[in-house]
Formats: sequence, structure tokens, C-alpha cells
Amino acid sequence: AQRVTQPEKLLSVFKGAPVELKCNYSYSGSPELFWYVQYSRQRLQLLLRHISRESIKGFTADLNKGETSFHLKKPFAQEEDSAMYYCALSGLDDTGNQFYFGTGTSLTVIP
Amino acid sequence: DAGITQSPRHKVTETGTPVTLRCHQTENHRYMYWYRQDPGHGLRLIHYSYGVKDTDKGEVSDGYSVSRSKTEDFLLTLESATSSQTSVYFCAISGRPSTDTQYFGPGTRLTVL
Repeated sequence: AQRVTQPEKLLSVFKGAPVELKCNYSYSGSPELFWYVQYSRQRLQLLLRHISRESIKGFTADLNKGETSFHLKKPFAQEEDSAMYYCALSGLDDTGNQFYFGTGTSLTVIP
Repeated sequence: DAGITQSPRHKVTETGTPVTLRCHQTENHRYMYWYRQDPGHGLRLIHYSYGVKDTDKGEVSDGYSVSRSKTEDFLLTLESATSSQTSVYFCAISGRPSTDTQYFGPGTRLTVL
């Protein structure tokens, strides 16, 4: 069963435009949600996590338990935001600790 | 970058041969993970370890085994490699399993011919 869904494989926006990367999840209990980012030629790294309720590089994400969503948003996209973004979920189920990543969204910010 | 290295970084092998990938950390983190990254699938957890000699299966563990004899090393073994195991393999570490950030290694690109 797909635990984390990122419906957009590719997303292009113009510099200065708002951007929203969608993430929906399916999980019973109380999962932890994360956004990871992979810039070109760099390692995958944490962007933000819902438990911290923080804003990193202008990005925010709100956990909506009713809609089971954790969309990533930024009001004004910058060229340096071009990267691959992964939504991720961690939780504890009857098989132990599990970690699920979405299929990723490749964001391109057009100058 | 957190102190995580993977070796080898690239490997080409033939179907049916055994392959071992190594992940080494200098952060003394308790948890270590192996993922594979494939187009259209994102990252999928293969196995993880929650301490020396303590491991558990992930989402796609069939065809893979792991071992952790020391805190700093986590080995992933493909006993008999198949073409479907051609992928990029990432190791990650964390202090705690659910809430902590996972720090990723640089990846190993494995091609099985």
C-alpha cells in the first residue's frame, strides 16, 4: 500500500511565483512527517519536519490530519530552490519502525 | 555532511554474483538504514539496524541481507545479484528512529548486468 503520495513528478514555476509541492499520506496512528531535498550533486538532506513547526529557506509545511496531507509551500520561489523534493513518513507499526518516502517531485524554478 | 561514507561508490557486476556494500559512520548514531532509489519509486527502505547485531526488515528486503558487527559499520549483501537490483543504494543514520533527522550517505550506484 502506498503510504506517501506525491502526485507531481515534475513541477515548474517562475522565479518569484508561489510554489506548492503536494504530499498525501496513508497511515494509521500518529506518523511523523518530513520533507527531504536533494540538490544537484548533493546528498539527500532534511528540509523540515512537522514536529519542529519551523520554516527553512522560506519553506513551510502544515500537517493536516483531516486531509492526511503535508504540502510544502513557499511564497516566492528562487532559482536555488530547483531540486528534487521527497516527502517522508516514519511510524511504528506491527512490523516495527518503518519509513516511507514518496516518489519525489522535481522542482524547476525558471529565471 | 555528517560523517557517513559508502563504499564502493560505483560497482558493475554480473547476475548471480555476490555483492557487499559498506556504510561507515563516525557519528556514533544508533540507527542505520539502507534504502534503494529507483525512478518512479522514490526511496524504499531495505533493512535497518537499531544496534549492534540488531536489524529488522524494511519494505523491500527480499534478496538482501545485512549485518552490523560494530556501531560504525552496516553492511548490505546481495547474495546473488539480479538485474532488478540495479539501483542507487543510500545509507542513512539517525539517533532515534521516528522523530530524528536521517543523515544520508553519498550513495552507491550498482549495475547488475
